[in-house]
Amino acid sequence: GAVVSQHPSRVICKSGTSVKIECRSLDFQATTMFWYRQFPKQSLMLMATSNEGSKATYEQGVEKDKFLINHASLTLSTLTVTSAHPEDSSFYICSASIRAYEQYFGPGTRLTVT
Amino acid sequence: QQQVKQSPQSLIVQKGGISIINCAYENTAFDYFPWYQQFPGKGPALLIAIRPDVSEKKEGRFTISFNKSAKQFSLHIMDSQPGDSATYFCAGRPLYKLSFGAGTTVTVRA
Repeated sequence: GAVVSQHPSRVICKSGTSVKIECRSLDFQATTMFWYRQFPKQSLMLMATSNEGSKATYEQGVEKDKFLINHASLTLSTLTVTSAHPEDSSFYICSASIRAYEQYFGPGTRLTVT
Repeated sequence: QQQVKQSPQSLIVQKGGISIINCAYENTAFDYFPWYQQFPGKGPALLIAIRPDVSEKKEGRFTISFNKSAKQFSLHIMDSQPGDSATYFCAGRPLYKLSFGAGTTVTVRA
């Protein structure tokens, strides 16, 4: 149980375009979802926290207009990287939580901006 | 600024040996300390977790030791196997927001 999926697993896009990443909790309803980014050989850095039906809470230094998060249902959250640039290339990982208890992580999405 | 300090950055152990990773935290509001295992190109997976009212927790070959007064905790991997080669992250949290350590890359040599 407690499976989280992400789609796509890898995406390559041109500079200036927007990319949407989906995060789904497959067998449970997630009250809270989290988005992280991870650069090579570094730790996970929390970008934002979202609760279903409400606006996401962004961490300090994360541009909310650049990283749009929508948590439309208890099983789906999306991260849209708008006007992507090469420095946005990273590994994006989501996690889902039941009542703020355990966090279950997705497999990650590798974004490459050319 | 990382709220959880993790060491070493990397370690190499022979098959059958013991891997030890240490973490220290400052925030006394932390009430939950999980360890995650991450393979290259994959998301992290929960390995084992402990709460501060317990000094030790063991699950199979993995043991967490927790020292509340020193604000330190460690992961011991007994009888290390090549399949344990991965990056391990400790973390801590008050409520729901996890703070991760920098990670330790463990290499188990056959």
